[in-house]
Formats: sequence, structure tokens, C-alpha cells
Amino acid sequence: GNSVTQMEGPVTLSEEAFLTINCTYTATGYPSLFWYVQYPGEGLQLLLKATKADDKGSNKGFEATYRKETTSFHLEKGSVQVSDSAVYFCALSRRGSQGNLIFGKGTKLSVKP
Amino acid sequence: NAGVTQTPKFRVLKTGQSMTLLCAQDMNHEYMYWYRQDPGMGLRLIHYSVGEGTTAKGEVPDGYNVSRLKKQNFLLGLESAAPSQTSVYFCASSPDRIMDEQFFGPGTRLTVL
Repeated sequence: GNSVTQMEGPVTLSEEAFLTINCTYTATGYPSLFWYVQYPGEGLQLLLKATKADDKGSNKGFEATYRKETTSFHLEKGSVQVSDSAVYFCALSRRGSQGNLIFGKGTKLSVKP
Repeated sequence: NAGVTQTPKFRVLKTGQSMTLLCAQDMNHEYMYWYRQDPGMGLRLIHYSVGEGTTAKGEVPDGYNVSRLKKQNFLLGLESAAPSQTSVYFCASSPDRIMDEQFFGPGTRLTVL
């Protein structure tokens, strides 16, 4: 079946450190891949997405590349800020799946000044 | 635009009581979803709707019912609440099923005693 596995947190970094959150997936066909972010007390919001192999999604300094050969979609940012503290969810959507998203369990990121 | 709104924000129920959670969206989206979020579990799909008057079961539908009488509203009902339904509930909507972004509401925190 379809599934998403992401690194367990929490992840604690100092401001300006480099961030990587690993995400791998299992899916039939060619899914679209997403990263959502949830700030404290809020709902999820889309951070970036990629719809086909080798696509790179980017937003707010975050990037992730759709790697079909390694079934991965790792999230990276070169220099994190305190305001990036949140929970990050990797997700996939399979074509023909009624738009249903399959989420990873989430990774909590805390950035210290 | 308000986007996706949810009512209420918080609720405490006793075992066996019933309640309805309301989700409303003003973006004219066809697709609407109800998820629950539990610690360490990510988000899991309860029910979804692909248009007015339609509903379908998701991953964890037991103990819940839904209705989509109007395109802009998606109701989630608990007929006889159980402690296992203590969770944070999120509603989401999207324009169509083709790998589009889902827009999330702020969530409802439900506690069943």
C-alpha cells in the first residue's frame, strides 16, 4: 500500500544551522509529493510540492527534490530561523485517489536563538 | 475570504454524548475532507466528499458520520462519543482531486471523558 516515512523528531537546531528532514515513500504509480507545515495552534499549510520525478519544490528558503530512484523527498533549508519552529509533514497524493493525502507522522522542529 | 473555518474550536464531551463539528469553506471547492490528528500518528482521513450530496469513507471512519448537504459545508458527527475519539480534528478542502493543494482549517480539539 501507499505510505510515507519521515524521520522522527524532535529536531533541535540553533539559528542559522542547516536543516534536513528525511522523507521516503512507498506508492504505486507516480504520486505527487508535498511538504506541509503546522505552526503551533494552527492548521496545516502547504509549504512546497513536486508532481513528477526530478522536480524541485521550493518556498520560503525550503527545498525538496522528488527522487524516484530512491523514493525520497527530503526537506532542506540552508539557514533556519526561530520562526521556522513548527511540525513538518511529508505527504503523497496518488493520481486517481480522489485527492486523498497520505501523511507521514510529522517531525517537530525547534530552532533556538 | 475566510478560507476554511471550523466550529467549535474546543469541546469536552462525556462518553456517550453526541455532537456535530461544522466545517465551512468559501472557496467554492468541490472536495472536502475530515482528518484526525493524534500524537505520533500524523493525520488520518476519516471521511471525505467529492461534491455536494456525496460522501465516502476514509482510513478510520468507524464511529463517525458525515453529511454534505451544501457545497460549502461538511459536517462530522459523533453519535455516541468514546474516549478513543479524543483528538484534534481538521477539515480541509481542495478544488479537485488532481494532486492539488488542500487547504486546512484551524482544527477542533475534542476531549471525551
